Amino acid sequence: SQQGEEDPQALSIQEGENATMNCSYKTSINNLQWYRQNSGRGLVHLILIRSNEREKHSGRLRVTLDTSKKSSSLLITASRAADTASYFCATVYSGANNLFFGTGTRLTVIP
Amino acid sequence: GAVVSQHPSWVICKSGTSVKIECRSLDFQATTMFWYRQFPKQSLMLMATSNEGSKATYEQGVEKDKFLINHASLTLSTLTVTSAHPEDSSFYICSGMAGGAYEQYFGPGTRLTVT
Repeated sequence: SQQGEEDPQALSIQEGENATMNCSYKTSINNLQWYRQNSGRGLVHLILIRSNEREKHSGRLRVTLDTSKKSSSLLITASRAADTASYFCATVYSGANNLFFGTGTRLTVIP
Repeated sequence: GAVVSQHPSWVICKSGTSVKIECRSLDFQATTMFWYRQFPKQSLMLMATSNEGSKATYEQGVEKDKFLINHASLTLSTLTVTSAHPEDSSFYICSGMAGGAYEQYFGPGTRLTVT
């Protein structure tokens, strides 16, 4: 399976705290993407980081990529109750355009 | 961002019947569309990739005769679940990708329940 793994599987924090999720993958990638999914809904694209990039920011989101360790992290700063959702990393492997999703992290932000 | 719609949003059907799910890109041309399946509290699993005008490419373990995919135009792809069984009950999500881009735009999903 080319599915990546994320940890933690579940994360519960207080509003205002930061949330960090990690993703590991298996082979060389072209890019890595992070998505958010509210319960029973479709996915929302959050951010894309290319294999030659190490860090990217978008609002309260910060994504890092370490290709030597085949890992990425998503940091959500100053979390809000509305950030409660499942977060998935997804990789596009070199030479392909398919997305392979990680196992996901279920984030709960307590108001 | 680009918008992808799915219809229906939920469907209940009887075992043995067929169900068609539509996926439309509303404001862009999706040269490639993807179909995913998601079981409760699990990740998305890619079922197949379809390029407009070509036969779909199915992932290992996905029965192409059971899950018929048609991508007849740049804005529409359909997934037909034939002879549905209760184990086919799942959340089916499609996505579209414009040519030359890596970003996929996801539909809201279709929840299929087979009784």
